Amino acid sequence: EVRLLESGGGLVQPGGSLRLSCAASGFDFACCAMSWVRQAPGKGLEWVSTITNGNGGRTDYADSVKGRLTISRDNSENTLYLQMNNLRVEDTAVYYCAKGRGQDRENWFFDVWGRGTLVTVSS
Amino acid sequence: QSVLTQPPSLSGAPGQRVTVSCTGISSNIGAGYDVHWYQQLPGTAPKLLIFGNTNRPSGVPARFSGSKSGTSASLAITGLQAEDEADYYCQSYDSSLSRWVFGGGTKLTVL
Repeated sequence: EVRLLESGGGLVQPGGSLRLSCAASGFDFACCAMSWVRQAPGKGLEWVSTITNGNGGRTDYADSVKGRLTISRDNSENTLYLQMNNLRVEDTAVYYCAKGRGQDRENWFFDVWGRGTLVTVSS
Repeated sequence: QSVLTQPPSLSGAPGQRVTVSCTGISSNIGAGYDVHWYQQLPGTAPKLLIFGNTNRPSGVPARFSGSKSGTSASLAITGLQAEDEADYYCQSYDSSLSRWVFGGGTKLTVL
C-alpha cells in the first residue's frame, strides 16, 4: 500500500523554526517528484514547494515561502523534509506531503496525499 | 484570491447531476495545461478524483467525470449521493507565475 506519513508539526512562536518530515512507503520513492501543499484553517489548498526525483533534484517554491522554507529529500531513507525558518503567523496551516505524477512537469498532479501535520505559529 | 475561480458552494438533491466549474485564463487552463480535481471529505486529506482533464484513477466511481474547454474545466457528478458531500478543488499550472495553482474550492452540499 502506498503511504505518506507526515510528522514534526506543532506550536512555534513567530520567527521560530520547525522541520517537517514525510515518511514514504509502498512505492519507489526515488522515482517521484514530491511536494508540500498546505491548508490554512478554514481555507483552500495552497501549493508550497516541489522537489523533482533523483538526488539533489530541482526545487521550486511559492513566492510566499521563498527564502524561508527549504524542501529536501533523502532517497536512502524514503523521506521528504521541509525546513521552516523565520515562521510567520500566516504560515499556520495543515501541511500535506503529496506524491507527484504526470508526463511532464507542468502537468504534474498529486496522486497520493498524507494525512497532514498541523503547524501553528503564534505568540 | 485564487488563480483558478470556482463557485464557493453548490447543492443538489440525491440522484441529481451537479457540475463544478473551474475558470482560468490564458496563462493556465487556456495555455493547454491539464486540469486535475481533488475531493476533500470533512476532516480528511484531499484525494485525487480526476487527472489529465478527463481520467479517473482506479477506484473512483464512473459517476465522476471531467471535461475541459478553452479557459475552463468542469467536474460533473451524476447520481448524487450523500457521501459526495465534500469540498472539491481544481488544480493546474500557471506559466506566468511558474507554479502549480489550485482553485479556491467548492463546498458541495447534498440536500
